[in-house]
Amino acid sequence: DAGVTQSPTHLIKTRGQQVTLRCSPKSGHDTVSWYQQALGQGPQFIFQYYEEEERQRGNFPDRFSGHQFPNYSSELNVNALLLGDSALYLCASRRSQGARGEAFFGQGTRLTVV
Amino acid sequence: AQSVTQLDSQVPVFEEAPVELRCNYSSSVSVYLFWYVQYPNQGLQLLLKYLSGSTLVKGINGFEAEFNKSQTSFHLRKPSVHISDTAEYFCAVSSSNAGNMLTFGGGTRLMVKP
Repeated sequence: DAGVTQSPTHLIKTRGQQVTLRCSPKSGHDTVSWYQQALGQGPQFIFQYYEEEERQRGNFPDRFSGHQFPNYSSELNVNALLLGDSALYLCASRRSQGARGEAFFGQGTRLTVV
Repeated sequence: AQSVTQLDSQVPVFEEAPVELRCNYSSSVSVYLFWYVQYPNQGLQLLLKYLSGSTLVKGINGFEAEFNKSQTSFHLRKPSVHISDTAEYFCAVSSSNAGNMLTFGGGTRLMVKP
C-alpha cells in the first residue's frame, strides 16, 4: 500500500503565476482534503472533496480551487500566487464510511513563491 | 466552531525522562481527538486517536493520551523519551458535525536532549 502520494515534492513559482498540486489517496479511500501549513504553524483546512464535489471549505479565497477525479485522486489549484502562499501543502485521505475523521496524510508539497 | 490550544510551543526534556504535551480543545458537540507527529520535511503521522470508549488511549512508539471531557483536555504522555522522539507534535479535533475536517493546534516542538 503506497499510502497517500503527492507531487511534486518541491515547487518554486513567481508571484502572479498559477500552480497545480496533485494527490493520490490511500487505497480504499474516497475522500480527499487539502491543508496549508505555513512555517512554524499547524495545518489549516482548505477544502474537502467527495464524489467529485467540494463538500466543505475553510477560510481561503476563491484563488484556491480543486478537483477530484473518478479515481478519487485530487488536484489543488492556486491562481495569482502571493508571497504569503508559500507553505507546505498537505493532502489527506480517508474513507467516507466509518472513518470518524481519521485521516492519513501525504508527505506534502513545499511551495515557495518568489 | 471548534478550536485547539497547545499550551507549550516548545518542550525540552532529557533522554529517558517522562514528558507531557498539553492540549485543550473547544467544541460544542461530541468530538474526536487526535495526536499527529511531524518529523522535519515530512507529512503528518497519526500517533493515536480518541473516538469513543475508554478515555485512556495508547498509540505508537509508546505514547498514550487521556481524554478528559470535564477539562476539555487531551494531553499526550510518554514515560521515557528517546532522542528519536524529537519532532513537532500536533493535537487535532474533528466532529461529524464539522464534516470530519481536522482543526489543528499550533504544535509543540519536543526537543529531547542527551
